[in-house]
Amino acid sequence: NAGVTQTPKFQVLKTGQSMTLQCAQDMNHNSMYWYRQDPGMGLRLIYYSASEGTTDKGEVPNGYNVSRLNKREFSLRLESAAPSQTSVYFCASSERVAGGPLRETQYFGPGTRLLVL
Amino acid sequence: AQTVTQSQPEMSVQEAETVTLSCTYDTSESDYYLFWYKQPPSRQMILVIRQEAYKQQNATENRFSVNFQKAAKSFSLKISDSQLGDAAMYFCAYRSAPAFGNEKLTFGTGTRLTIIP
Repeated sequence: NAGVTQTPKFQVLKTGQSMTLQCAQDMNHNSMYWYRQDPGMGLRLIYYSASEGTTDKGEVPNGYNVSRLNKREFSLRLESAAPSQTSVYFCASSERVAGGPLRETQYFGPGTRLLVL
Repeated sequence: AQTVTQSQPEMSVQEAETVTLSCTYDTSESDYYLFWYKQPPSRQMILVIRQEAYKQQNATENRFSVNFQKAAKSFSLKISDSQLGDAAMYFCAYRSAPAFGNEKLTFGTGTRLTIIP
């Protein structure tokens, strides 16, 4: 049981390049999230997916797209990277049981450090 | 919108002593959840403790306990018998009560805790 995994761990991009950050969870969770963490700030939500096939914008969605490929995987794409997107990106997942008690805890991956030059 | 404030950017404590990290939040909601996450140098976000707002009893997890003051909108974390492995960045986080698709965490800016041997 690996929990939440993210690839790559570290990436350097040039301005204008594109890339996809991958996230997978093996806990059979319905909900998945992408956050970014910048120095001196808490984590901010970029996008989230409450269930397979649905995605919604978070606090800072501009410049990003997401795909909930299946229940396990949730990817984050930067179409044209900008220096302002230099950050550490975290994926997380949590469990939602329809009609039952919601488990509130989000489980985080180890993060992807992205540097845009 | 909810906000979370951690007014102590840095704290230090002698090994084996007790330290309290502060967190205040602003919300108009009556039902919500509060969390403390730990982020060691590995950058992974690790859940330390959580509190449901409807519960009057303060949550405890081994050496970690909270002082939840709902009227004052205060949620402090107490670490007893501090250990070297407790050195990390600590984030306070808020999320609204269960509602489908509304599982966003709002984070504070963090407190860096140093343990002095």
